[in-house]
Amino acid sequence: GDSVTQMEGPVTLSEEAFLTINCTYTATGYPSLFWYVQYPGEGLQLLLKATKADDKGSNKGFEATYRKETTSFHLEKGSVQVSDSAVYFCALSGGSNYKLTFGKGTLLTVNP
Amino acid sequence: AAGVIQSPRHLIKEKRETATLKCYPIPRHDTVYWYQQGPGQDPQFLISFYEKMQSDKGSIPDRFSAQQFSDYHSELNMSSLELGDSALYFCASSFYWAQGNTGELFFGEGSRLTVL
Repeated sequence: GDSVTQMEGPVTLSEEAFLTINCTYTATGYPSLFWYVQYPGEGLQLLLKATKADDKGSNKGFEATYRKETTSFHLEKGSVQVSDSAVYFCALSGGSNYKLTFGKGTLLTVNP
Repeated sequence: AAGVIQSPRHLIKEKRETATLKCYPIPRHDTVYWYQQGPGQDPQFLISFYEKMQSDKGSIPDRFSAQQFSDYHSELNMSSLELGDSALYFCASSFYWAQGNTGELFFGEGSRLTVL
């Protein structure tokens, strides 16, 4: 079945540091790929998405490129802020039901 | 813009009690998904409905049941509650026939269930 593997955290960075959170997936067909963010005590918010190979999703300075050849969708940000502290989930949507399958999540803490 | 509404936001129950969570999807959305997120865990798919019919089933315990009503809202009923049912329960909705549907789901804020 479909699965998502993302780097385990927690990840602790200083403000303005570069961020990479790795995500790889296994799926049949051509899934859509997503990054969701969950701030403390809150729900899931879509951060960015990509629907086909070589697409780049971007939002709020975050970027991720859909790499079919390496089945990856790594999240990057050039300069993180304290307000980026949250749990980040990589997810894929596949099949006719568009059900989302999530990775385990990566806790990011950014220190001033 | 209208979002997915879940109620109640917080619920405290005793073991062996029953709980009902409600979800009101975004207007015009015809598909509802339920997810369970345990402490420090990723969201796990429970069940989904399309046009009031169950469309997929995941790791939903037999003690749980759900349905989607004629106005498209959905309810998750949980009986004989166990300590391990304590979790954040998310509802998400989508419009299945949206042009160029990318599979994006729109999530509610979640209902936090605590079983004592």
